[in-house]
Amino acid sequence: DADVTQTPRNRITKTGKRIMLECSQTKGHDRMYWYRQDPGLGLRLIYYSFDVKDINKGEISDGYSVSRQAQAKFSLSLESAIPNQTALYFCATSDLRSKAGTTDTQYFGPGTRLTVL
Amino acid sequence: AQRVTQPEKLLSVFKGAPVELKCNYSYSGSPELFWYVQYSRQRLQLLLRHISRESIKGFTADLNKGETSFHLKKPFAQEEDSAMYYCALRTSYGKLTFGQGTILTVHP
Repeated sequence: DADVTQTPRNRITKTGKRIMLECSQTKGHDRMYWYRQDPGLGLRLIYYSFDVKDINKGEISDGYSVSRQAQAKFSLSLESAIPNQTALYFCATSDLRSKAGTTDTQYFGPGTRLTVL
Repeated sequence: AQRVTQPEKLLSVFKGAPVELKCNYSYSGSPELFWYVQYSRQRLQLLLRHISRESIKGFTADLNKGETSFHLKKPFAQEEDSAMYYCALRTSYGKLTFGQGTILTVHP
């Protein structure tokens, strides 16, 4: 779904560097999420935001920070990257205003492959 | 605490054979469960949700609260079903907890 974009798509960096991953969406959704995907561990939630003024930690937020600059933008930062943060990172969005009787589907970006040397 | 377990990391079947991807969950509240799929070079996307009781691409999944399971089934697998499948549990405020994922390979 081209409505959720992530930049960069691939990044190689060194230990100790600050890295920012960006997510933009044109779906008009209120909710945005950052996950990391690791083999054998599935997707784990890093941070989530239900609107511009609402940001919450997920299950693995240590070493990460986020910024919700606007409804459409949600950035993930690694203040001082370390090798075990090497992973595939996904942004997702969902709509608070779901139809009655349904639950909000999450729409994923294409992912950012981050390698920390 | 909520938890989703997919016991099989890899599952291989032949085309036309039945396939079942297992998912078990642990949650104290009323569960809402989903299956997401990621085909090669495509984005992770919703396959189906238990609340809709739908069949998508021939797949079905029934929520069994007694066994705390939400297994994904298809009677006749196709090669295009090869993908990574994630079971997910919706918890408070719309957050999803994902299982570890199962890579399904359907051989010709």
